[in-house]
Amino acid sequence: DVKVTQSSRYLVKRTGEKVFLECVQDMDHENMFWYRQDPGLGLRLIYFSYDVKMKEKGDIPEGYSVSREKKERFSLILESASTNQTSMYLCASSFADYKPGGRNEQFFGPGTRLTVL
Amino acid sequence: QKEVEQDPGPLSVPEGAIVSLNCTYSNSAFQYFMWYRQYSRKGPELLMYTYSSGNKEDGRFTAQVDKSSKYISLFIRDSQPSDSATYLCAMSHNYGQNFVFGPGTRLSVLP
Repeated sequence: DVKVTQSSRYLVKRTGEKVFLECVQDMDHENMFWYRQDPGLGLRLIYFSYDVKMKEKGDIPEGYSVSREKKERFSLILESASTNQTSMYLCASSFADYKPGGRNEQFFGPGTRLTVL
Repeated sequence: QKEVEQDPGPLSVPEGAIVSLNCTYSNSAFQYFMWYRQYSRKGPELLMYTYSSGNKEDGRFTAQVDKSSKYISLFIRDSQPSDSATYLCAMSHNYGQNFVFGPGTRLSVLP
């Protein structure tokens, strides 16, 4: 079974703190993603990575950065946490399947509920 | 207009009912269509996966894609209280591409 794990289920931080969210997948997936999920807004893509040391901005990258030093690990960094970054953060991974019609679904971790006070 | 629209609900049905969940989308380039189920305080898990148009059945679940109408559906037969969750539709243009998610429909199946 695919397993995507996230370092914390719940996290409480103060405004201005630097926050690290870690994600690890054990299926040798090439692609990894970070989303945030807010009521009424659904899942919004923050950053994604198609390969080690590669990163691409998603729809809402402002205030975030990422790091992918190893294939199985993708970190999300909040340089200076703010209250509007209080949210559920979800990591996902998938194969980069280059066969047309192949499966490219994303597998999600359990999420980290971050509260910034 | 949002790229993917989905009625947020909440939708409440009695146990045993047939449930119909729907999404509409605006981008005709989408080819991969997925339904995820998300229980409270958990990450989404893939329920159904469809490439291009047509129907797909898996137990009590049936996914339909109508690309001409830009409309996808998920049907749940003989709904159970354990089906109570938020259902997210997702779609993408091509392999390896990013997904666009609907906001999710919250479903409650009452015993």
